[in-house]
Amino acid sequence: DAEITQSPRHKITETGRQVTLACHQTWNHNNMFWYRQDLGHGLRLIHYSYGVQDTNKGEVSDGYSVSRSNTEDLPLTLESAASSQTSVYFCASSFLQGGEQFFGPGTRLTVL
Amino acid sequence: AQSVTQPDIHITVSEGASLELRCNYSYGATPYLFWYVQSPGQGLQLLLKYFSGDTLVQGIKGFEAEFKRSQSSFNLRKPSVHWSDAAEYFCAVGDISSGSARQLTFGSGTQLTVLP
Repeated sequence: DAEITQSPRHKITETGRQVTLACHQTWNHNNMFWYRQDLGHGLRLIHYSYGVQDTNKGEVSDGYSVSRSNTEDLPLTLESAASSQTSVYFCASSFLQGGEQFFGPGTRLTVL
Repeated sequence: AQSVTQPDIHITVSEGASLELRCNYSYGATPYLFWYVQSPGQGLQLLLKYFSGDTLVQGIKGFEAEFKRSQSSFNLRKPSVHWSDAAEYFCAVGDISSGSARQLTFGSGTQLTVLP
């Protein structure tokens, strides 16, 4: 069955370190998304991609970057981790832009 | 810009009771509407979706939702709640028409507690 996976599932890092969260999908979807989920804020869009070599900033993109070199993967990089980036991160993909999204299990990131 | 409001942050119901979770959206055209459920420590799972056709849509786990254009609402219902339904529920609106932002906008979620 097609799926979307994230790794690691849990990560603890220190302020100032670079961190990369992996997202891999086997749906062959062109559209991929990164969200962060925090209490009181729901899901907020960080970055998204509509295809290989395409990346776009979302609502809360400062301090994050993504790259899309193939259809299956959209890694999220925190260039210099900050305590404010402690959160749960979800990756998602979709067939249609604006259509239903399929979510990964999430990565819980703690920045000390 | 499209927006989604879930007025109830937290709802508590007894097992076996009926449930209705409210969702209001703001959008100019016909939206693509979704309900997702998130169990603790899990990702979001799609319960149901609406784009066109019958305004009453059936989803998984016995849930249904009704699209009411006049009220800009897409409320989620279940006639008899089970303890396993305790979770957080998110309403979302999307748009697949050309020229749109082509993203999903999520509500802030409703936490459901089920009493035995």
